[in-house]
Order: sequence, then structure tokens, then C-alpha cells
Amino acid sequence: GQNIDQPTEMTATEGAIVQINCTYQTSGFNGLFWYQQHAGEAPTFLSYNVLDGLEEKGRFSSFLSRSKGYSYLLLKELQMKDSASYLCAVKGDYKLSFGAGTTVTVRA
Amino acid sequence: SQTIHQWPATLVQPVGSPLSLECTVEGTSNPNLYWYRQAAGRGLQLLFYSVGIGQISSEVPQNLSASRPQDRQFILSSKKLLLSDSGFYLCAWSAGTGGGYEQYFGPGTRLTVT
Repeated sequence: GQNIDQPTEMTATEGAIVQINCTYQTSGFNGLFWYQQHAGEAPTFLSYNVLDGLEEKGRFSSFLSRSKGYSYLLLKELQMKDSASYLCAVKGDYKLSFGAGTTVTVRA
Repeated sequence: SQTIHQWPATLVQPVGSPLSLECTVEGTSNPNLYWYRQAAGRGLQLLFYSVGIGQISSEVPQNLSASRPQDRQFILSSKKLLLSDSGFYLCAWSAGTGGGYEQYFGPGTRLTVT
């Protein structure tokens, strides 16, 4: 089975940096995805990691350590529009398993 | 470019009534299709997935069913809704089943069972 843990909520100030951690225990591993979901909307794809290390995409970066079952999503230069839920998802043998999501609130 | 449509956007149904939610994908062939449900404040739960016409895999035993009558059409149904069926239903597609294939989500249907 899959067990994916991430914090429920985080709050940060506009312009700051926030790091969202995700730990997982899975029966198979074919990559880890991060999605952003604004309230009432569908999730949108942010990043994908399959090898250890850091992947950078503009203000967003994602890190993976397969041996530790650990990933984080780093959001830099926070903007008000970054207030959303961030979902960690692990690809097993054939499907994605999602964590419950971390709600990030950006304050002015 | 590829687009994914879902309808209706919102739905209020009484307990015991039937359900039919439709999802269609444009701009791609032979997509993998998925139905998820998201309860309030919870993560996404995979309900069904399909790798081809007529091929449906069920993840969670419940009173829901899915069908794929055409390559780019995925339908979620129920004969009799339960209160616990309330939630945000999301259809998604991917180009393949491997790890590098991200899933793209439709706009979702918010279902309230009363």
C-alpha cells in the first residue's frame, strides 16, 4: 500500500520562502509529482522527480531522496496567488497515490 | 493542444437517485483515463482508471461504476446515490502509464447528495 504524509497547513509572508515536506512509504516507486490546487479548482501539475536531487522550475523547486522516502517543494519569492493547496503524489506500479495536501496561506 | 471537459460543473441530487458524470478529452488518442473523488479537506481518491475502450479497473468497491464507450469518453455512474457520495469528482488523463507521464485534470464536478 501507499502512505504519504505532508503537513496540513503552512503560513508565510509575501516575498518569503516556504518548504513543504512530503514523506512516503510505497510498495513501488516510479516517480513523485507535485500539484497545485486552488480552492474549488482542479489540481495543476507543478513538478516531477524520479531521480535523487533538485529540479528547478522558476520560483518552484522540488527535491527527492528515494533512500529516505522524502521530497520537498520549495516556493520562493512568494506571491499572494501562491495561496493554494499543494499535493504530493507518488507513482506506484500503475497509479498515482495522493497525500491529503498542504494548504499554504500567503499573507501580505 | 489537449483539453479535457467535464460536465456538469455542479450537481445536487437526492439520496437514492441515479448519477451520470461525463468526461471527454480532445487533442490526443488512446489516453489513459481516471476518475478521482476528493472529499472536503481530503486527498484525491482514485476510483477507476482505463487504459483503453471497454477496459475499466476499479480501485475502491462501492456503488459507483465507470464505462468507456469511446476512446476519449469516460463516464461515471451510480444507480442509487448515497450521502457519502458527496464530493468533488475529477476526471484526468495521461499519455501513458509510466512514471514520467503526468496526469492532467478536468475542471471537476461538485456533487452534493441531499
